[in-house]
Amino acid sequence: EVQLVESGGGLVQPGGSLRLSCAASGFTFSTFSMNWVRQAPGMGLELVAYISSSGATIYHADSVKGRFTISRDNAKNSLYLQMKSLRAEDTAVYYCVRDYGINSRWGQGTLVTVSS
Amino acid sequence: IQMAQSPSSLSASVGDRVTITCQASQDINKYLNWYQQKPGKVPKLLIYDASNLATGVPSRFSGGGYGTEFTLSISSLQPEDIATYYCQHYDHLPYDFGPGTKLDIK
Repeated sequence: EVQLVESGGGLVQPGGSLRLSCAASGFTFSTFSMNWVRQAPGMGLELVAYISSSGATIYHADSVKGRFTISRDNAKNSLYLQMKSLRAEDTAVYYCVRDYGINSRWGQGTLVTVSS
Repeated sequence: IQMAQSPSSLSASVGDRVTITCQASQDINKYLNWYQQKPGKVPKLLIYDASNLATGVPSRFSGGGYGTEFTLSISSLQPEDIATYYCQHYDHLPYDFGPGTKLDIK
């Protein structure tokens, strides 16, 4: 069974940092692209970052460029999102999402709250 | 690529046929997902490649379209279909989402 389990969310002050992790199981992690998608309270879905299966292609949304960094460790079946210089508007549930189309699978999400 | 959805909200009666539209600002071929999200829940894949039903999705859901214009239809609305529906393209990065259509029961 495909499982994506996010961790690392929590309450952080503006300007602070967090590192989100996503532990993948039930599939060959190294053959799928991965994404971080977030959803602010009461709002829609936003693609935050994308990384190809090998890590050769990386995308960050303009809203997080220069502050967030997506990475992966295929040996550990894990996806990461390093977040720094956090702002109130980064408050959201962050989902780890496998690939797209028929291969799309979502984790349960982890809540990041940026507040003083 | 900008993704637009219409309507932004919709009220319909049980048994009604409901159609939601998603428009892409440029040609995305068939590369479109439809997701259903119920309050407090994770988005669920309904349709992939514009018209293919995902595993376990009831047959009252259907998707259509190609290029820039796409539709999600529910042939006979059920109470459990109350949710927000999102389209997402995956033609090329960034794989943007539409703003969502909130569906409720009249």
